[in-house]
Amino acid sequence: EPEVTQTPSHQVTQMGQEVILRCVPISNHLYFYWYRQILGQKVEFLVSFYNNEISEKSEIFDDQFSVERPDGSNFTLKIRSTKLEDSAMYFCASSPQGRGQPQHFGDGTRLSIL
Amino acid sequence: RKEVEQDPGPFNVPEGATVAFNCTYSNSASQSFFWYRQDCRKEPKLLMSVYSSGNEDGRFTAQLNRASQYISLLIRDSKLSDSATYLCVVTENTGGFKTIFGAGTRLFVKA
Repeated sequence: EPEVTQTPSHQVTQMGQEVILRCVPISNHLYFYWYRQILGQKVEFLVSFYNNEISEKSEIFDDQFSVERPDGSNFTLKIRSTKLEDSAMYFCASSPQGRGQPQHFGDGTRLSIL
Repeated sequence: RKEVEQDPGPFNVPEGATVAFNCTYSNSASQSFFWYRQDCRKEPKLLMSVYSSGNEDGRFTAQLNRASQYISLLIRDSKLSDSATYLCVVTENTGGFKTIFGAGTRLFVKA
């Protein structure tokens, strides 16, 4: 069964550094998403992406964050000038269409900011 | 009021029991509804979509009541492997589509 893959599985970074989290969505999916989950808290929507542009973003997704689809397969989340509170699990997801269809999640990148 | 609200539990039930989870959502314009399960430190996995007519998948039955803005999940004949956190997920049409997760209900099934 096709899967969403994320790399790395664990990223440790010094506060203030930039990180790039990578995702390869399922190949025939058109909508891509990033979520985060702080330890012990709920999954929070960050951003959705379709047709090479952001279609929706949450209040969390401020100027510190950006997303990109640099080629036909990868979907990246960049976090600039990381803060301690950015430590969380980051999940990528994709869906065949958008419009409220079920999303398939990758197994996440655990980001630890020191 | 929280956008998607769930009883956090935990629900502790014996194997074979029937257990029901509820979820309420605040935005009457919400369009799509799902139940996901999440094992500890793992990704959410789709359990089932929820339709107004109700739907069933094996031991799992989901119901949606749009008038009351209420979603339910019923698990019959609980198995040890059903132990997980069950996430109620709602998609809102806000111009784009925004997906909102409930905080989840923890279920422990004991032998």
